[in-house]
Amino acid sequence: SAVISQKPSRDICQRGTSLTIQCQVDSQVTMMFWYRQQPGQSLTLIATANQGSEATYESGFVIDKFPISRPNLTFSTLTVSNMSPEDSSIYLCSAGPGATEAFFGQGTRLTVV
Amino acid sequence: ELKVEQNPLFLSMQEGKNYTIYCNYSTTSDRLYWYRQDPGKSLESLFVLLSNGAVKQEGRLMASLDTKARLSTLHITAAVHDLSATYFCAVTLGGFGNEKLTFGTGTRLTIIP
Repeated sequence: SAVISQKPSRDICQRGTSLTIQCQVDSQVTMMFWYRQQPGQSLTLIATANQGSEATYESGFVIDKFPISRPNLTFSTLTVSNMSPEDSSIYLCSAGPGATEAFFGQGTRLTVV
Repeated sequence: ELKVEQNPLFLSMQEGKNYTIYCNYSTTSDRLYWYRQDPGKSLESLFVLLSNGAVKQEGRLMASLDTKARLSTLHITAAVHDLSATYFCAVTLGGFGNEKLTFGTGTRLTIIP
């Protein structure tokens, strides 16, 4: 199994500001994934982060709002930019180093006020 | 577009009873996952099902996969209070190493003493 460390675990932010979430995997992985879970909802994929190339965004998510970095095979960041209360969610990173598993970080609970 | 449906959305059951959660998906998939989420927590991996007819069991939970019917079930035997949580199924279209997941709606399970 993989250990995925995500931080911060929670934050309360002012609208109009940005927050960067970090995700560290204890082994090298080709792809990392960022999901959003709005209150009481299921998980929705934001983007796929590949090392050495631009992230691939899902419909409804754009790079200007959710820029992603992937500087190496064990680390990625997601920034939530120009936040509004609608961005209040749990953000989770995921990776599947075993090729048949998909593990998740602890999640970042974001509240925008 | 891959769609994943779960039912029921909410399930309240008494301790000691048996019940099944259903997960239907719209497109042929490589793998199907079951996760558990406790309130305010991240996702805990329960099962990964890789092939038609796959059955896995862990304690009071048993998952099965019918790829021809595009259906997976999560069966709960003699429920206990500790099983109260939200359960998600998720499906991937990616090949090995690409664990890009589409999640079901989730089933919020409450076990009543």
